[in-house]
Amino acid sequence: DTAVSQTPKYLVTQMGNDKSIKCEQNLGHDTMYWYKQDSKKFLKIMFSYNNKELIINETVPNRFSPKSPDKAHLNLHINSLELGDSAVYFCASSPLASGDRGDTQYFGPGTRLTVL
Amino acid sequence: LAKTTQPISMDSYEGQEVNITCSHNNIATNDYITWYQQFPSQGPRFIIQGYKTKVTNEVASLFIPADRKSSTLSLPRVSLSDTAVYYCLVGDRDTGGFKTIFGAGTRLFVKA
Repeated sequence: DTAVSQTPKYLVTQMGNDKSIKCEQNLGHDTMYWYKQDSKKFLKIMFSYNNKELIINETVPNRFSPKSPDKAHLNLHINSLELGDSAVYFCASSPLASGDRGDTQYFGPGTRLTVL
Repeated sequence: LAKTTQPISMDSYEGQEVNITCSHNNIATNDYITWYQQFPSQGPRFIIQGYKTKVTNEVASLFIPADRKSSTLSLPRVSLSDTAVYYCLVGDRDTGGFKTIFGAGTRLFVKA
């Protein structure tokens, strides 16, 4: 019973391609997130959705477009991939609104994206 | 922005108690302090959360002084499997709404 799942786990692609990463949570949480962890291991929030509504967009390039078909899913589509997009992308969910006091986030296993 | 400062790395030996201190001088009145643990090739995992004084669970203890400008995560009797990166977070609010910000974390290496 995986709480937060992501697919694929690994993604290797060429520059300029378009790719998607899927995320699903079965915890019944209202809020979902996407984070990017680069080679230096800094974990940076990219987006946050609450009940399918975009709450946080952290100065992410327009090439990144999150889509939430329902509150259990938050997919990340990336257009025109660049070398600098190579990183591990984590999906997370939480029961409270983004960053509410006492918020606890549950993370997925990550998707390692490599752009060649 | 409420940011956190932690030691970059720490070494310890099996069986020892490890204390990791985090500074958060600009913590907001209602913010909670949350700690996460991350193993290589895995997502962060919640360890403990507190608002003031002391919180204890089966994994760790969290000590928060009265001024709340710092907090200390205490791991009793660490084992090799506690080798991981530990992140201290406080809630952060700006025009985009509340969000949590992960700092650089503390890389704990437990030796036999």
